[in-house]
Amino acid sequence: DIQMTQSPSTLSASVGDRVTITCRASQSINTWLAWYQQKPGKAPKLLIYKASTLESGVPSRFSGSGSGTDFTLTISSLQPDDFATYYCQQYISYCTFGQGTNLAIK
Amino acid sequence: EVQLLESGGGLVQPGGSLRLSCAASGFTFSNYAMGWVRQAPGKGLEWVSGISGSGDTAYYADSVKGRFTISRDKSRNTVDVQMNSLRADDTAVYYCAKPVTFMMTLGGVVAPSYYFNYWGRGTLVTVSS
Repeated sequence: DIQMTQSPSTLSASVGDRVTITCRASQSINTWLAWYQQKPGKAPKLLIYKASTLESGVPSRFSGSGSGTDFTLTISSLQPDDFATYYCQQYISYCTFGQGTNLAIK
Repeated sequence: EVQLLESGGGLVQPGGSLRLSCAASGFTFSNYAMGWVRQAPGKGLEWVSGISGSGDTAYYADSVKGRFTISRDKSRNTVDVQMNSLRADDTAVYYCAKPVTFMMTLGGVVAPSYYFNYWGRGTLVTVSS
């Protein structure tokens, strides 16, 4: 099974900051990677697929990069609505999620 | 507009059974695979099961294989999961989700892969005595 590991598990930042979340796969997944945002009590929301393709309607301050085993999600200028938990997910074989990164207000 | 509405959650004793249902609308149901993803309280996301658009093929996570059965009814546009032999670690919010599906070959094995662009609101299943 492919394991996904995110870092950090918790990240504190301020409005306007640039933040980066890292996701590492236990084996190469090419660019078969998605990122989700989840707020408390809500379903996850798809942000990015194919490692770097922005889902329709997602603000352009979100971007994704990487291939193989190492990936990043970057938010260029944090907005109040962005404080949430973020998950990466591989989809080269079934699907596996990372453990999540909680982005909190500093 | 795609809508997914789960029902059937509740409190069940260990070893018991529960059937969850997801009513889908806003798209041609039989053209798309469907899936279930769960989230234990305070924990991350875990894929549970997927079913092909035709309903001919079903896939399961190892953690539920042999205990859960996914099915779909094209006349009612619903996808169900029958959960038997429930355990405390099955306690979770269960989300119905509509995936974008690929058939991938990895290590000589062909298997589906999914990412999810539509999600329901979820239904809570609590397994406790």
